[in-house]
Amino acid sequence: EDQVTQSPEALRLQEGESSSLNCSYTVSGLRGLFWYRQDPGKGPEFLFTLYSAGEEKEKERLKATLTKKESFLHITAPKPEDSATYLCAGVSNFGNEKLTFGTGTRLTIIP
Amino acid sequence: EPEVTQTPSHQVTQMGQEVILRCVPISNHLYFYWYRQILGQKVEFLVSFYNNEISEKSEIFDDQFSVERPDGSNFTLKIRSTKLEDSAMYFCASRRQNLGSPLHFGNGTRLTVT
Repeated sequence: EDQVTQSPEALRLQEGESSSLNCSYTVSGLRGLFWYRQDPGKGPEFLFTLYSAGEEKEKERLKATLTKKESFLHITAPKPEDSATYLCAGVSNFGNEKLTFGTGTRLTIIP
Repeated sequence: EPEVTQTPSHQVTQMGQEVILRCVPISNHLYFYWYRQILGQKVEFLVSFYNNEISEKSEIFDDQFSVERPDGSNFTLKIRSTKLEDSAMYFCASRRQNLGSPLHFGNGTRLTVT
């Protein structure tokens, strides 16, 4: 059974304090690893797709990386507006997009 | 930027009643999905839909659930006889035709079954 595990469950950082969120997966034949941001009461908002080990993607203060067993979301000098729950999801079959989600990391940036 | 829209934002219904959740996917997208998130739990896949057919469905998507694209813009999820455990946030998503393109989610319908 495909599984995605995220850690930590919650993370509180001071504004400007960089850190990393972890997503480890056991998805047989992983074809893609997605990162989403979810604000309270809203739907997941797409951030990145990673397709193969060694790949990196960046957007503003966020950088996502992928190895054969896990993915990291690095947050550099975060701001309060980066506070959200960050979800990762794996997919083994492009076509049906049956994404397997982790439970997310709830990130709080304190001004 | 185009977005997936869902209505209503909140639906309260009594156990045993039928509900229809509505979605307008992004206009040039061809693949459509329903996911749900029970409070405090993971986002879970329900069903994928392409070319007016279900492509894949999960164990959750039993005979009480159905999906339909009644016209060129709407995509609906029907629950025939709601149960207390159907209470959740239901998300519609869509994506472009290119394989590997990401899913874009709506803001969900919060379904409360009493």
